[in-house]
Amino acid sequence: GDSVTQMEGPVTLSEEAFLTINCTYTATGYPSLFWYVQYPGEGLQLLLKATKADDKGSNKGFEATYRKETTSFHLEKGSVQVSDSAVYFCALSDRGSARQLTFGSGTQLTVLP
Amino acid sequence: EPEVTQTPSHQVTQMGQEVILRCVPISNHLYFYWYRQILGQKVEFLVSFYNNEISEKSEIFDDQFSVERPDGSNFTLKIRSTKLEDSAMYFCASCRDTNSGANVLTFGAGSRLTVL
Repeated sequence: GDSVTQMEGPVTLSEEAFLTINCTYTATGYPSLFWYVQYPGEGLQLLLKATKADDKGSNKGFEATYRKETTSFHLEKGSVQVSDSAVYFCALSDRGSARQLTFGSGTQLTVLP
Repeated sequence: EPEVTQTPSHQVTQMGQEVILRCVPISNHLYFYWYRQILGQKVEFLVSFYNNEISEKSEIFDDQFSVERPDGSNFTLKIRSTKLEDSAMYFCASCRDTNSGANVLTFGAGSRLTVL
């Protein structure tokens, strides 16, 4: 079945540091890929998405590229801020599945001033 | 921006008690979901609901669980007789349609259930 493997956390960075959170997936079809973010006390919010190979999703300075050859969707940001502190979830959606989303385990990011 | 709202934000209950978690999805959304996250583990799919019936459910969603859309706005998850292992954060989500390539879900903030 479908699965998402995500970089273990927690990750602690200083402000303005470069961020990479690794995500790889296994899927039988051609899934859409997502990064969701959960700020403290809030729900899961869509951060960015990519629906086909070589697509790059981007939002708020974050980027991720759908790499079919390596089955990866790594999240990157060039310069993190304290306000980026949150839990980040990689997820996939197999077309036609009523389940909609299969999640990774989440990565806690803490950015220190 | 439209939101999915969930109540209660936190509920503590005794083992064996019934619990109802409530969700108000976005008003023009047609597909509704419950997911859960046990502390430190993955967010797991429980059930999807469309057109007043369950579309799909996971192996977690056994006979102790049920969902209902009792009126035009609420979507509830009932756990009939809670067990310790039901302690988790429960997320409600909704989606306008599932035909688009992105299948974007909007999630609520979650209801934390603690079973003692």
